[in-house]
Amino acid sequence: AQSVTQLGSHVSVSEGALVLLRCNYSSSVPPYLFWYVQYPNQGLQLLLKYTSAATLVKGINGFEAEFKKSETSFHLTKPSAHMSDAAEYFCAVRTPFGDMRFGAGTRLTVKP
Amino acid sequence: GAGVSQSPSNKVTEKGKDVELRCDPISGHTALYWYRQSLGQGLEFLIYFQGNSAPDKSGLPSDRFSAERTGGSVSTLTIQRTQQEDSAVYLCASSPRGEETEAFFGQGTRLTVV
Repeated sequence: AQSVTQLGSHVSVSEGALVLLRCNYSSSVPPYLFWYVQYPNQGLQLLLKYTSAATLVKGINGFEAEFKKSETSFHLTKPSAHMSDAAEYFCAVRTPFGDMRFGAGTRLTVKP
Repeated sequence: GAGVSQSPSNKVTEKGKDVELRCDPISGHTALYWYRQSLGQGLEFLIYFQGNSAPDKSGLPSDRFSAERTGGSVSTLTIQRTQQEDSAVYLCASSPRGEETEAFFGQGTRLTVV
């Protein structure tokens, strides 16, 4: 069954440092993968999605993710963290049934 | 409407009472999803509708939980005989037809069982 695993429930970086949030997927077929962000007391919004058109996907707010089939990974990165990036980040995969399953989430803290 | 609408935004209920949570998806979206988010936890999948049918009900925690969708639009999640462990934020999302499409989320209903 399709699923995603997010490594690290909490990640802390300094402002201006690289952000790396890890997501590994399990899928028997080419997956459709998504990253969502949830700011404090807000709903979830889409950051980016992988639909097989390109392995490097660029999203909003300077985030990008690279699909690596050999590593079954879809890690999220941002070259330089900003204080406003502090939020909960969720990786998700679409299943053959058509629904979406989410990882446990990674809380990103940005230190000044 | 412009986005996914959920009502009520907050609900406080007494243990043992039944509650109904409503979700109005984006017009034209064929898929509708319900998730539960407990404090500090990820998104727990509850149920998914494609049109009015639910191909996957495996996420409903117990037989106290049920959901329906009518007219391919509005969905209601019902929790009977609520328990304190049901306290959480219940999120609804919808998406257009197509595996590559993303889900659009509502703001959620915060349920507190006292």
